[in-house]
Amino acid sequence: GIQVEQSPPDLILQEGANSTLRCNFSDSVNNLQWFHQNPWGQLINLFYIPSGTKQNGRLSATTVATERYSLLYISSSQTTDSGVYFCAVNLGHDMRFGAGTRLTVKP
Amino acid sequence: NAGVTQTPKFRVLKTGQSMTLLCAQDMNHEYMYWYRQDPGMGLRLIHYSVGEGTTAKGEVPDGYNVSRLKKQNFLLGLESAAPSQTSVYFCASSYRTIEAFFGQGTRLTVV
Repeated sequence: GIQVEQSPPDLILQEGANSTLRCNFSDSVNNLQWFHQNPWGQLINLFYIPSGTKQNGRLSATTVATERYSLLYISSSQTTDSGVYFCAVNLGHDMRFGAGTRLTVKP
Repeated sequence: NAGVTQTPKFRVLKTGQSMTLLCAQDMNHEYMYWYRQDPGMGLRLIHYSVGEGTTAKGEVPDGYNVSRLKKQNFLLGLESAAPSQTSVYFCASSYRTIEAFFGQGTRLTVV
């Protein structure tokens, strides 16, 4: 089956720092999403991004489908950015998740 | 617009008991999914459905059954709960393979 790998597994930042999270996938996919799971366990949609680049405030994402990876950029991080970031790829009929990147932003 | 709603939010079961988790979506989505999330393992797909009356197995289907009798509802059943099924369960829905939306989760403990 398809492999979805996220790196780094853990990331600790000082407030105000920038970061890049990576998602690699082993096969062609129909689409890709990024989610943020907050400390209360809620999964929040960040980006639906099968290809190209999107931006939403301090966050942006780029997917290069032909090279099978996606990047999530967080600029000027805030403590509220803490949590786990997941990428998920859709294979047509189901959606598979990576193991996530746990981000801790310290004040 | 409620989106995806899961019932119940919390449950404690004894080993061998049965229960049903209900997922309801009001977005007229065709696809629905059930996942479990265990510490450090991300989300793993249990079962999914691409339309009313159809279901299919995901990565970890053993010990679970599902039904999709109505388009807006997707039920996950545990016939004989085991401690290994202690987890957080998430339901999601999507319009075909386009953006998926998740419910708030159900925390299940089997003792």
